[in-house]
Amino acid sequence: GAVVSQHPSRVICKSGTSVKIECRSLDFQATTMFWYRQFPKQSLMLMATSNEGSKATYEQGVEKDKFLINHASLTLSTLTVTSAHPEDSSFYICSARKGAEDYNEQFFGPGTRLTVL
Amino acid sequence: GQNIDQPTEMTATEGAIVQINCTYQTSGFNGLFWYQQHAGEAPTFLSYNVLDGLEEKGRFSSFLSRSKGYSYLLLKELQMKDSASYLCAVIDSNYQLIWGAGTKLIIKP
Repeated sequence: GAVVSQHPSRVICKSGTSVKIECRSLDFQATTMFWYRQFPKQSLMLMATSNEGSKATYEQGVEKDKFLINHASLTLSTLTVTSAHPEDSSFYICSARKGAEDYNEQFFGPGTRLTVL
Repeated sequence: GQNIDQPTEMTATEGAIVQINCTYQTSGFNGLFWYQQHAGEAPTFLSYNVLDGLEEKGRFSSFLSRSKGYSYLLLKELQMKDSASYLCAVIDSNYQLIWGAGTKLIIKP
C-alpha cells in the first residue's frame, strides 16, 4: 500500500497566529513530498516541492517566509503557515512520491481545511 | 504557456457511459494522470498513460494520443458514487505536474 496521512484534518485559528500541518507517509519512504493549495472549485495549485534533507523549492508567487516547509525525515514533512490571515483560508493537501523517478505516481494525504478568522 | 483544458461540468445517468476529455499544451510530455476527487477530499489515483492507446482498468479506461495532445477518461456502468471531480494532470519536460481544473461529474438516477 501507499498511505499518506495529514494532521490536523481541520483547523480554525485567529488571524496572526501560526498553524503547523503534518504530512506523513505511513508505509513507505518518500524522498519527495509536495504541498498543494486548493480553493473552492479550482484546481490544485502546487506551492512547493519538499526534498528530504534539503530546502524546499517554492513555486513562483509563494512566500517561503510565510509558508515554512521542513522535510526532516523520509516519512514526515511539515508546512507551517506563519501569521495566518483570512486569505490563507484554503484546503491544503500534501502528496508523497513513492519511487525515485519523477514520473512516479503521487499519493495524496486527506487534506487539511484551514479557516482563519 | 502551459494549458490543460477539461469541461467544467458533465451530467450522466446511472448505468450509462460517460467520456471526459482532456486536451493539453505543455512544454514537453512525460505522462498523463487521471485522478478522482470527491468533494472535500484529496485526489485519488485512477490511471497513468505515457504511450498512445487505451488502458483499461475495470469500469474505467483512459486513452492517450500524444500527437493530438489529447486524452479521455471513459467511465462505464456509472454508479452514484462516481459523482466527483475528475482531474487531468500532465508531467512536462521539467517533470513538473501540471493540473487541469477538473471536471465535475454529476450522476443522476
